[in-house]
Amino acid sequence: AQRVTQPEKLLSVFKGAPVELKCNYSYSGSPELFWYVQYSRQRLQLLLRHISRESIKGFTADLNKGETSFHLKKPFAQEEDSAMYYCALKEGAQKLVFGQGTRLTINP
Amino acid sequence: GAVVSQHPSRVICKSGTSVKIECRSLDFQATTMFWYRQFPKQSLMLMATSNEGSKATYEQGVEKDKFLINHASLTLSTLTVTSAHPEDSSFYICSASRTSGVNTGELFFGEGSRLTVL
Repeated sequence: AQRVTQPEKLLSVFKGAPVELKCNYSYSGSPELFWYVQYSRQRLQLLLRHISRESIKGFTADLNKGETSFHLKKPFAQEEDSAMYYCALKEGAQKLVFGQGTRLTINP
Repeated sequence: GAVVSQHPSRVICKSGTSVKIECRSLDFQATTMFWYRQFPKQSLMLMATSNEGSKATYEQGVEKDKFLINHASLTLSTLTVTSAHPEDSSFYICSASRTSGVNTGELFFGEGSRLTVL
């Protein structure tokens, strides 16, 4: 069964437009969710985690337990946001399960 | 910071040979490391959890005799692809989390190793 679902493989928006990357999860316990990002030719790195309730590079993500979602949002997209974004669910002590990823392209 | 390094970054080998990929945590200790496999334009699939000083835990469908994992120290895990075949060609990525200090749950990823089996 799919535990982390990112329904959009590709997402393209114009610079300055709002961005929302969707993520839904399936987990019986109390979920711990993350967003990881991979810029071109770089390694995967953490963008943000739900427990810290932080905003990184203008991105925020709110855990909605009722809708089992953890969508990533940014009000005004920038060209440097173009990257591959992965939603991830922590299972057990340390194991991470990743969604399929969404390739975000910001058009000038 | 917390840096994870993989070596080699690229390797090409002949079918039937074995290839070893190293994953090192450079500035922190990692009791647990993870090995992922990534196919082109697809997500990362967890292959196994590497535990220092004990046997690795493999995910369902991953052949433990095919993908040998050794985690002999707190800073090094190795993945050996034995008797490699063209279908083993892939991008292999390792990750680790801090053992000591503040463990935020963040995983630190290596740069990946691209294996091509001819």
